[in-house]
Amino acid sequence: DVKVTQSSRYLVKRTGEKVFLECVQDMDHENMFWYRQDPGLGLRLIYFSYDVKMKEKGDIPEGYSVSREKKERFSLILESASTNQTSMYLCASSFGGGAVNEQFFGPGTRLTVL
Amino acid sequence: DAKTTQPPSMDCAEGRAANLPCNHSTISGNEYVYWYRQIHSQGPQYIIHGLKNNETNEMASLIITEDRKSSTLILPHATLRDTAVYYCIVRVITAGYSTLTFGKGTMLLVSP
Repeated sequence: DVKVTQSSRYLVKRTGEKVFLECVQDMDHENMFWYRQDPGLGLRLIYFSYDVKMKEKGDIPEGYSVSREKKERFSLILESASTNQTSMYLCASSFGGGAVNEQFFGPGTRLTVL
Repeated sequence: DAKTTQPPSMDCAEGRAANLPCNHSTISGNEYVYWYRQIHSQGPQYIIHGLKNNETNEMASLIITEDRKSSTLILPHATLRDTAVYYCIVRVITAGYSTLTFGKGTMLLVSP
């Protein structure tokens, strides 16, 4: 079974702190994604990566950065956390080739910024 | 822009078929229809996808109209564990990668 794990299920940070959210997948997937999910807005893509050290902006990249130094690990960074970044953050991964490109999601990290 | 329209909520009795509709009237010829679901407090889970033909797997069936402007996800014998938000997504498959654009989905409530 594909496993996508996220470093924390719940996280509480203060405004202005630098926050790291870590995601690890164990299926040698080329692609990795970060989403945030908010009530009434659904899931929105923040950043994705299709290879080590490669990254692409999604729909809402402002206030975030990412890092992919190893194939299995994709980090989301909030340089200076703000209250409007309180949200559920979901990581996903998928194979790079093939016809299905099904995305496998982690359990999510609920981040609260005070 | 999610490119799909789904009813916000539906109810279904346990053991009955759940038929979840989706409109995608602006779908392009190379766009696939994907369905995911999200059970409360979990990440989304892939269910099924299709291009033109109807598809069936161990979880569900996908019926796509001939003009491809709408589709229906069918859970043949809904259980309480099928209570979830169901997302219909259209996406282009490329050799390298593609992204998902989630809409608001349909909240399916399966009752005893």
